[in-house]
Amino acid sequence: AQSVSQHNHHVILSEAASLELGCNYSYGGTVNLFWYVQYPGQHLQLLLKYFSGDPLVKGIKGFEAEFIKSKFSFNLRKPSVQWSDTAEYFCAVNAGGGGNKLTFGTGTQLKVEL
Amino acid sequence: DTGVSQDPRHKITKRGQNVTFRCDPISEHNRLYWYRQTLGQGPEFLTYFQNEAQLEKSRLLSDRFSAERPKGSFSTLEIQRTEQGDSAMYLCASSADVTYEQYFGPGTRLTVT
Repeated sequence: AQSVSQHNHHVILSEAASLELGCNYSYGGTVNLFWYVQYPGQHLQLLLKYFSGDPLVKGIKGFEAEFIKSKFSFNLRKPSVQWSDTAEYFCAVNAGGGGNKLTFGTGTQLKVEL
Repeated sequence: DTGVSQDPRHKITKRGQNVTFRCDPISEHNRLYWYRQTLGQGPEFLTYFQNEAQLEKSRLLSDRFSAERPKGSFSTLEIQRTEQGDSAMYLCASSADVTYEQYFGPGTRLTVT
């Protein structure tokens, strides 16, 4: 069975600071990887995804993530956060080869202070 | 707006009552998923449909839970004899066959008193 670990449950940053949120997954086969974001009072939105190809993927709002297969990791980064990035961030994985279920991590609550 | 919609958004019920939630997916999406999310946790998979066929059910989906997707359009999730442990946010998502991107609805928050 696949599983996802997010190392940081709560992160507090000042505006303009750099962000890196860790995500590790456990699954031996081909995977598709996702980061979702949930802004306060809103529903889950897709931030970025990795299916294959270039392991550095770029998403919306200046976010990017790097897939490192040897480390089973898919960390999310942003060079300079804004107050509006305050949200909960979820890493998710599904087993490659089908439109299957997503397995989510427990989420990281990010608070960006002015 | 043509996103995933869910109804109701909030439901308060007494223990032992039955509840039913509805999900309307994005119209061209043939895959539909139900998840449950409790406080401090990520969404957990419950079940998934491809068109009208229910293809996978989680062990989280006890006998008190049933989901349907008649005609491959909207879906309903029913919980019978609700328990306090059923209190959670129930999320619906949909995706198209050729992509694995799941689009989520706003969820139905269930409170069992």
